[in-house]
Formats: sequence, structure tokens, C-alpha cells
Amino acid sequence: KNQVEQSPQSLIILEGKNCTLQCNYTVSPFSNLRWYKQDTGRGPVSLTIMTFSENTKSNGRYTATLDADTKQSSLHITASQLSDSASYICVVSVSGGYNKLIFGAGTRLAVHP
Amino acid sequence: NAGVTQTPKFQVLKTGQSMTLQCAQDMNHEYMSWYRQDPGMGLRLIHYSVGAGITDQGEVPNGYNVSRSTTEDFPLRLLSAAPSQTSVYFCASSYYDRDSYNEQFFGPGTRLTVL
Repeated sequence: KNQVEQSPQSLIILEGKNCTLQCNYTVSPFSNLRWYKQDTGRGPVSLTIMTFSENTKSNGRYTATLDADTKQSSLHITASQLSDSASYICVVSVSGGYNKLIFGAGTRLAVHP
Repeated sequence: NAGVTQTPKFQVLKTGQSMTLQCAQDMNHEYMSWYRQDPGMGLRLIHYSVGAGITDQGEVPNGYNVSRSTTEDFPLRLLSAAPSQTSVYFCASSYYDRDSYNEQFFGPGTRLTVL
């Protein structure tokens, strides 16, 4: 069964600190993996996308990694800001699935001053 | 360019009532979809459409109906609301491709409560 699991469920950090969110997936066949940021009361917005051959992708202070062998991905946030408080959702696309996406439940991050 | 818009933002219904959630996009995307988001779960696909006049069921279609008469609009109808349909509903659109490389753009969501 295609599944995406994220950890931790929630996380609290102090402003300026770094953090890493984890994503494990059992999706086959794999096409790509995307991280979304979802602010409270808003829809998800894409941060990064990685294909099978890419093992790291950055978007400002956000850096995503992908290990296709172990089927794991991480999202590292550097020098956190209050505006980073949001849910972060890992999404895996099925190759040949024509827009078939498998969503993780998300990690809720709270950045405190 | 408004992207994906949804109305209403909030709605409270009584069990058995019906309503339509509206979704529109101005990016000329072929693919549009409806998801529901429940606490502790990933987004789940309700219905989707790959073009005007073409719709299909997703993972959790029961109790919902859709139609697509234009490229821009994709309304979701609740036929007879039940408390189990209390959720946040997101509409999304994208170009349609075999391996889903194109980004899906999400609307702001509709928070629905069924009493």
C-alpha cells in the first residue's frame, strides 16, 4: 500500500534555531517528492520538488534531501523565523499515475520568540 | 491572476442539508481536484477532472457529486450532509501530466461543519 509517514507530528523550536523534519515513504513506482508549506487557514504551497536522481534541493532557508534507496526525505529549516510556523506536508507522486499524489499527515511546526 | 479561488470560506450545515462548494481557477489548467483534510490525516482525494465534461472518483467519493462544464469551474456538491463530512475542503488545479511534475496549486479551503 502506498503510504507517506512524517515525523515528528509536532515540533516547537525557538526563533533562530534550526530543525529537521522527516518523511518516509513506501510509494511505488516513485516519480517525485514534494514538500509543501501550509499556513493556518490557507492551502498548501509548494516549497521544493525532487526527482529520483536529485538528492538535495534548496529554496532559501529550506533544504530538502532525498535518499531514494532508503525511501527517506528530510526538510531542514535554517535560522527559523516566526513566519516558519506552519504545517509541512510531504507528498509523493506515483510514476505513471497521472497526477496521483500520496500525502503525508504533516508536521506542525511552531516557532516561538 | 487570482489562482485558485474557493467559496465560501466557512459553512455550517444541518444533517441532511445540501450545498455546493465553489472552485474556480484562471490558469487554464486541465486538471482540477477536490480534497478533504481531516486532523491527523493526509489530504484525501474526493473527485477529480481532467477536462471539461470529464470527471472521475478519487479515494473518498461517497456523498459527493461533481461536474465540470467549463475549464475554469469545478463545483463540489454535498447531496445530503452528514456529520462525517465535517472537514476542510481544498480545491486544486494543475496541468495534467503522466508523472505529476507540474505543481498543484491549492485554493484557500472551505471549512465545513455539519451538525
